[in-house]
Amino acid sequence: EAQVTQNPRYLITVTGKKLTVTCSQNMNHEYMSWYRQDPGLGLRQIYYSMNVEVTDKGDVPEGYKVSRKEKRNFPLILESPSPNQTSLYFCASSRSAVNEQFFGPGTRLTVL
Amino acid sequence: QKEVEQNSGPLSVPEGAIASLNCTYSDRVSQSFFWYRQYSGKSPELIMSIYSNGDKEDGRFTAQLNKASQYVSLLIRDSQPSDSATYLCAVPNSGGSNYKLTFGKGTLLTVNP
Repeated sequence: EAQVTQNPRYLITVTGKKLTVTCSQNMNHEYMSWYRQDPGLGLRQIYYSMNVEVTDKGDVPEGYKVSRKEKRNFPLILESPSPNQTSLYFCASSRSAVNEQFFGPGTRLTVL
Repeated sequence: QKEVEQNSGPLSVPEGAIASLNCTYSDRVSQSFFWYRQYSGKSPELIMSIYSNGDKEDGRFTAQLNKASQYVSLLIRDSQPSDSATYLCAVPNSGGSNYKLTFGKGTLLTVNP
């Protein structure tokens, strides 16, 4: 089954404790992206990747890191999480930047 | 900043009615347009893609595109309570080094039994 997977689905952590949210797709897509979604603010892009080893900042990159060492994986790293990073996070992938994106199930993160 | 604007809603329609959702975009060179449905707490799900001016129908859904007016709409015929969700319009943008899918903030649709 073609899909985007994310782990964990739910995470409660404390300020400053490094965490990684994994994202993997099995559709051989070139483009991958991370979003956060907050009430009233819609979907905001954090980082995106056009291909392996090619990543760039989206609209709200502060406090996040990403890497794209393999085509299928695009982990999101929070080196020192803060409460304002409490949000619902989605990973998405597509054939290219102008094609429809397919979303993972989401990760609900709470930073205390 | 490329923008995608949607009626914020909420939009409430009775079961069986036609729901009409609207979206305008600012990037004149956009060539593809997407509608997503998102249930509360769930991920966005692609329901329609449209690339050419005119109408595209898929079951109870019809997408309408007018590039001259920079306007895309989604019609849901015979609305069902299960259609109650937030509908997101999305338009790919490219410019400089930023390649992204820009989403509107969504229209919340409620279909009343």
